Amino acid sequence: DIVMTQSPDSLAVSLGERATINCKSSQSVLYSSNSKNYLAWYQQKPGQPPKLLIYWASTRESGVPDRFIGSGSGTDFSLTISSLQAEDVAVYYCQQYYGTPWTFGQGTKVEIK
Amino acid sequence: QVQLVESGGGVVQPGRSLRLSCAASGFTFSDHFMHWIRQAPGKGPERVAVISYDGTDKFYADSVKGRFTISRDNSKNTLYLQMNSLRTDDTAMYYCAREKNSAMVFDYWGQGKLVTVSS
Repeated sequence: DIVMTQSPDSLAVSLGERATINCKSSQSVLYSSNSKNYLAWYQQKPGQPPKLLIYWASTRESGVPDRFIGSGSGTDFSLTISSLQAEDVAVYYCQQYYGTPWTFGQGTKVEIK
Repeated sequence: QVQLVESGGGVVQPGRSLRLSCAASGFTFSDHFMHWIRQAPGKGPERVAVISYDGTDKFYADSVKGRFTISRDNSKNTLYLQMNSLRTDDTAMYYCAREKNSAMVFDYWGQGKLVTVSS
């Protein structure tokens, strides 16, 4: 199985500041034939299901604010919230869909400092 | 709008069975692969099972293989998960989720149903 490891486990950022979450996969999730990274990011607020934010490592889902930016390739990825808003407090998960079984990271909790 | 509504969760003793249902609306159900995903308290999600458009192809996580069965009824726009020989480590919130057609990710999730396996 491909293991997804996120860092840090939690972070506290001031309103309006940048928050960056990292995700590392135990093997590459870049499919050479189409040059796509099979990596997605989700946001989960308390008591709610996860919500899709980003797929193909950097494609924003419809309706997701442009302050959410996905980047990276191969085995190293990042989710950046360019200007943290109060409604962004949540746990964020990365997920690979390159190899079966599809696997998630352990999550990163983002809070307001 | 797309809606996925799970039903059938609850408390059950180890070794017993439970069936979850997921009623879908707001989209053409038969055009999408559908998934069951679970999340134990304080943990990341784990995909449990997936079923193809017409139900002919199914895949299970090793942790549930041989105990859980995913199925669908496209005439009723409903997804099912039959869970047999339940164990305490099956305790989790269970979500049904739709697979996005242009990318193998989960673009819509239900609100989830809690399954608690306890004696």
